[in-house]
Amino acid sequence: ETGVTQSPTHLIKTRGQQVTLRCSSQSGHNTVSWYQQALGQGPQFIFQYYREEENGRGNFPPRFSGLQFPNYSSELNVNALELDDSALYLCASSGGDRANEQFFGPGTRLTVL
Amino acid sequence: AQSVTQLGSHVSVSEGALVLLRCNYSSSVPPYLFWYVQYPNQGLQLLLKYTSAATLVKGINGFEAEFKKSETSFHLTKPSAHMSDAAEYFCAVSGRNNDMRFGAGTRLTVKP
Repeated sequence: ETGVTQSPTHLIKTRGQQVTLRCSSQSGHNTVSWYQQALGQGPQFIFQYYREEENGRGNFPPRFSGLQFPNYSSELNVNALELDDSALYLCASSGGDRANEQFFGPGTRLTVL
Repeated sequence: AQSVTQLGSHVSVSEGALVLLRCNYSSSVPPYLFWYVQYPNQGLQLLLKYTSAATLVKGINGFEAEFKKSETSFHLTKPSAHMSDAAEYFCAVSGRNNDMRFGAGTRLTVKP
């Protein structure tokens, strides 16, 4: 059973740029959720995708957008980067027999300068 | 809206001592509750979960938590701390769409 993977591991961008983060869900999972974890804080829910459709969204502006593909992998896109977007971005997948349990990837550390 | 509050941003215990990390929840429906652990520069690992079965839940690494509806609490305990338990711990409640709402976290330090 392959776990949740994320790429890249680290990323440095400048203010105003755009970034795409990627996530491969665990085998057999059809739901992917994205979280933002600022330094010293708990993860904050960004949005969730279920079978390629957005299935819930947290309190994040529209410049945070996403996609889910037929193989259930997912992308998080952030436009017009701001300094406060610097954070660890976590992807979690769920589904199958343990649909109420989310399995987290190692995260992508984004630094905005 | 569902939420959790973790009491104490930092907890320090001696090796071999009892670990108690506090979490209170707010939910208008029977909640699903979780405890996760995060080691430096890593993602989150599930310790245990409550999904309305037994109120005392046993997890990995000797941790357990008790769901107390009357106190709206879901505190995490371990009888004897080990140096390897030093990490950040997060309590979370599952929302309507299975999205997680996390607490701010508690950093556990274990002294030799």
